[in-house]
Amino acid sequence: GAVVSQHPSWVICKSGTSVKIECRSLDFQATTMFWYRQFPKQSLMLMATSNEGSKATYEQGVEKDKFLINHASLTLSTLTVTSAHPEDSSFYICSARKQGINEKLFFGSGTQLSVL
Amino acid sequence: SQQGEEDPQALSIQEGENATMNCSYKTSINNLQWYRQNSGRGLVHLILIRSNEREKHSGRLRVTLDTSKKSSSLLITASRAADTASYFCATAMKSSGDKLTFGTGTRLAVRP
Repeated sequence: GAVVSQHPSWVICKSGTSVKIECRSLDFQATTMFWYRQFPKQSLMLMATSNEGSKATYEQGVEKDKFLINHASLTLSTLTVTSAHPEDSSFYICSARKQGINEKLFFGSGTQLSVL
Repeated sequence: SQQGEEDPQALSIQEGENATMNCSYKTSINNLQWYRQNSGRGLVHLILIRSNEREKHSGRLRVTLDTSKKSSSLLITASRAADTASYFCATAMKSSGDKLTFGTGTRLAVRP
């Protein structure tokens, strides 16, 4: 199997604080990880593509300094929402592409962020 | 931007009935994939169909692809209450490398 663990599942924080979300591939090496944002009853919006050892590639309209992505190893990528505001409240999901399998994605279980 | 538009947006059926969801896309693709999402959870890959394939089966799932119409359908036969979830198509476009673009999704409710 291919398991992607995302932590935390949910987080509540005060406006102005930073929140870090981790995405780990537990039993495989992930050449690429993707971060998505999803609003209620809507589709996934790709925020950025994270490649191990290099800078993330952000989608148009996504602030790099707001959403910091680090992909330090082949099994871990982190998304840090800096100086969070209520409008950042959303469901964030990561996915990973398995090395050698360049098509389907394996998803984490998502993180519900609520900024007060 | 949204590549895939799905219809219907929501579908409610009785257990045992078949459910059909449709996905349309705009540009040339390498493959099209279907994913399932339970409420508040991540997505699970269901099936992948390549641009040179027309139909694919996996258990109770049947996927068709019509590249001339730029559309795909997902059929779930003999539905069960446990099939209740949102279903998304995702396209891997020739122009965007390895990125997947997700459709708007269909929320399926199967009544026991």
